[in-house]
Amino acid sequence: SQTIHQWPATLVQPVGSPLSLECTVEGTSNPNLYWYRQAAGRGLQLLFYSVGIGQISSEVPQNLSASRPQDRQFILSSKKLLLSDSGFYLCASGGGGHMNTEAFFGQGTRLTVV
Amino acid sequence: GQSLEQPSEVTAVEGAIVQINCTYQTSGFYGLSWYQQHDGGAPTFLSYNALDGLEETGRFSSFLSRSDSYGYLLLQELQMKDSASYFCAVKSFQKLVFGTGTRLLVSP
Repeated sequence: SQTIHQWPATLVQPVGSPLSLECTVEGTSNPNLYWYRQAAGRGLQLLFYSVGIGQISSEVPQNLSASRPQDRQFILSSKKLLLSDSGFYLCASGGGGHMNTEAFFGQGTRLTVV
Repeated sequence: GQSLEQPSEVTAVEGAIVQINCTYQTSGFYGLSWYQQHDGGAPTFLSYNALDGLEETGRFSSFLSRSDSYGYLLLQELQMKDSASYFCAVKSFQKLVFGTGTRLLVSP
């Protein structure tokens, strides 16, 4: 099975500061990769997904961007954080297309913008 | 776009059976998945239905009706550790879109 490495686990950042969250995947190649955000007690909002290196699809217009510089590396970034960017960010691998029935998640990053 | 609806909360007692429903609207439907998430943790995969019918995995079963755009997760012999949030998720082309989530509270 796959292992998703996501760091840091928690992060407190001031408004207007930049953000970079990194996710790396082990145990598979050419996976579909996803970034989700989850507000407290709420569902998972799909932010970005990628089907290959350099291929990024954005689901929700926002203050964030994503990049996939390597096959198993997915990065979530912001140039200037807003208070509304606070939340629990989850990286996931797999789950897309006919053949992949299971998505594997990293342990998440809890971001608080102050 | 895609939308998935689930009840926000379900309560039950230990040993009981509970059903969590999911209705969806989507294009390019491949299948319906279910995930469990404990507080503060990451979601973990429970089951996947690509075709109509019931899939059984231990105490958990999942059902899909593609014609009704409807599915459910059935949890039997509930245990305290089953208290968690449960999400249905739709595979639509290359996307994996999650429902609103159902919080299950199991009491003694």
